[in-house]
Amino acid sequence: LAKITQPISMDSYEGQEVNITCSHNNIATNDYITWYQQFPSQGPRFIIQGYKTKVTNEVASLFIPADRKSSTLSLPRVSLSDTAVYYCLVGHTGRRALTFGSGTRLQVQP
Amino acid sequence: DGGITQSPKYLFRKEGQNVTLSCEQNLNHDAMYWYRQDPGQGLRLIYYSQIVNDFQKGDIAEGYSVSREKKESFPLTVTSAQKNPTAFYLCASSKDLEGAAYGYTFGSGTRLTVV
Repeated sequence: LAKITQPISMDSYEGQEVNITCSHNNIATNDYITWYQQFPSQGPRFIIQGYKTKVTNEVASLFIPADRKSSTLSLPRVSLSDTAVYYCLVGHTGRRALTFGSGTRLQVQP
Repeated sequence: DGGITQSPKYLFRKEGQNVTLSCEQNLNHDAMYWYRQDPGQGLRLIYYSQIVNDFQKGDIAEGYSVSREKKESFPLTVTSAQKNPTAFYLCASSKDLEGAAYGYTFGSGTRLTVV
């Protein structure tokens, strides 16, 4: 199973770009990297997913280096509404559900 | 709209009682999951099911039970054997067990409090 490490918390200001890095040293060959966002008292929401290089959607970008041992979620020009917990997940091979770590608590200030 | 519906949103349980949390999905997903979240913590897997009439224990299954009689439904029973059941419970589904390949869809959660 991929061991995942991400910062416990981060602070930012409105309008700044935020980069959250996740370490997953023993990622398996056919594992995907997925990021979720969770607001208080709500279920996590899918943000972005990738396998290698760079993926971009209307919400975020995901950068994955060639060795795939880490990944970086990039949120451009954050707003107060981006204050949430962000989870990095790595897909398990075999027949097992995903494991969520404690996530990164992002606080955006005015 | 397709999605997952959890009910009730808030639930209060007396000591020694069993309670059942409902989870229904209309996404035609094969796999369903139950997670528990304590304040300030991540999600911990309770049970998951990849197909009707089949389910597997997760990391913290003790004191919980589930059934999967229909594809759309995956109810969770919190039994009196669960000593600390106060938590936020989240149900999720995915197209199949390779959830990372397709992403999970979560319900809005049930907050259970023991009184």
